[in-house]
Amino acid sequence: AQSVSQHNHHVILSEAASLELGCNYSYGGTVNLFWYVQYPGQHLQLLLKYFSGDPLVKGIKGFEAEFIKSKFSFNLRKPSVQWSDTAEYFCAVSINNAGNMLTFGGGTRLMVKP
Amino acid sequence: DTAVSQTPKYLVTQMGNDKSIKCEQNLGHDTMYWYKQDSKKFLKIMFSYNNKELIINETVPNRFSPKSPDKAHLNLHINSLELGDSAVYFCASSQGLNQPQHFGDGTRLSIL
Repeated sequence: AQSVSQHNHHVILSEAASLELGCNYSYGGTVNLFWYVQYPGQHLQLLLKYFSGDPLVKGIKGFEAEFIKSKFSFNLRKPSVQWSDTAEYFCAVSINNAGNMLTFGGGTRLMVKP
Repeated sequence: DTAVSQTPKYLVTQMGNDKSIKCEQNLGHDTMYWYKQDSKKFLKIMFSYNNKELIINETVPNRFSPKSPDKAHLNLHINSLELGDSAVYFCASSQGLNQPQHFGDGTRLSIL
C-alpha cells in the first residue's frame, strides 16, 4: 500500500519569507499528486495537482509544486508567504484504477506571523 | 450554492447509538467519498463509490456503511458508535476517477 510522508509537522514563518513544505510518497507505479489546504474551521480546498506532463505545476494563490520522480517527492513552494496563508497543508496521492481514493500525508501546520 | 454539503455539521451522541450523516453534491459528479479526520488532523479514506461500485478501505469497521440513493447522495451510517469514532467526517466528490476531489465542510462527531 502506498504511504505519504510530510516531514514538517509545524512551520512558523514571518510574512514575506519563502516556503517549502516537503512531501514524499512510497509507491513504485504511476501516481496522481495533490496539495490541499485547510484553513481553520474550513473544509479542504485543492491548491494544485499533478497528473502528467510538466513536473512543475502552478496552483492557486501563488503556490507551486515540483514532482521529482527519482526522489518520490512533490514539495510545495511559495516565494513569499502572507499572514492569510496560515493553515494546515496536506499532500495526497491517488493511484490509477484504485477507486481514486486519496492517501493523505499527516499534514503540516503553517503559521505566518504578521 | 454549496457544491458538497453535509448534514449535520455537528453531532453529539452517546456510545452504542446508531447515527447517519448525509452528503449531497450538486456538481453532477459521479464518484463520492467519505474520509475520517482524527484529532491529530490525520485524514484517512473510508469509502469510494462510483456507478454503484463500492470500494472499501479494509481498515474500516463494518459498523460503518455507506448508502447511495442516487448519484448525488452518499450517506454514512454508523452502528453501535464507539468512543474512537469521534472525529470529523468529510464527504467529497469528483467527476470520474482520477480527478480532483471537492470536499464538504465536514461533520464533527463527538461520542460521549
